[in-house]
Amino acid sequence: DTAVSQTPKYLVTQMGNDKSIKCEQNLGHDTMYWYKQDSKKFLKIMFSYNNKELIINETVPNRFSPKSPDKAHLNLHINSLELGDSAVYFCASSQEGGYTEAFFGQGTRLTVV
Amino acid sequence: AQKVTQAQTEISVVEKEDVTLDCVYETRDTTYYLFWYKQPPSGELVFLIRRNSFDEQNEISGRYSWNFQKSTSSFNFTITASQVVDSAVYFCALSEAYNNNDMRFGAGTRLTVKP
Repeated sequence: DTAVSQTPKYLVTQMGNDKSIKCEQNLGHDTMYWYKQDSKKFLKIMFSYNNKELIINETVPNRFSPKSPDKAHLNLHINSLELGDSAVYFCASSQEGGYTEAFFGQGTRLTVV
Repeated sequence: AQKVTQAQTEISVVEKEDVTLDCVYETRDTTYYLFWYKQPPSGELVFLIRRNSFDEQNEISGRYSWNFQKSTSSFNFTITASQVVDSAVYFCALSEAYNNNDMRFGAGTRLTVKP
C-alpha cells in the first residue's frame, strides 16, 4: 500500500498545454506539500497545505494552482506550460507540518517540448 | 527564512571508506527540526533521520551516524565503511517551529561510492 502516491509518473506535453498532477496520501497526515526538483537536483518548496488550508505559497507563477479537495489529496494544476516548467515534481505529506518528517511520492517527471 | 548549506556538491569515495557529509544551517528560531533524506538513482526521497533543536545527542544507526552541534549550527552525516548502495544524493533539511509548514532543503551532496 503506497503511502504517498502521485500520478502520472511521467508527463510529456507541448508548450501551452494545461496539465494536472494528482497526489493522494493514506497516512492520515495533516500537511501536504508540493516541491519542484530542477535538473541540478535542487528541491524547492512550492506549496504547503495544512488540513486543506493553503499555508505556504512560494513565489511560483500563478499558472500553478494547487487544489486540496480533502485532507488526503493535493493536486497540482499547471496552465500554459512553458519549457522552464520541465522538472520533477514531488508531492509529500507529514503528520504535523515541519515538526515531523515528510514522506514523499515517487515524483512526476514533467517534460515540456 | 531559514537556510541550509551543503557545501559539498559531489563526493567520490572507494568502498569501505568512511565519508562525512556536511550540513550547516541558519535560523533565527530557537526551536527547529533538522532532517536528512537520501535520493538514490531510482529517484525517490527516503527519510533518514529527524532531530529537534533541544536534542543534541548524536545518533547512530548501523553504519550511519549523525553529529548535531548547535555551537557551529551543523548537522553532519557520516557513513562508515561505505558501500556501493550508498551512492545517492543526500539532502539536509530544516523547518522552524515558528513557520513549521516550510521545510527547506539544502542543495544536496551527490555521493558516489566506487567498488
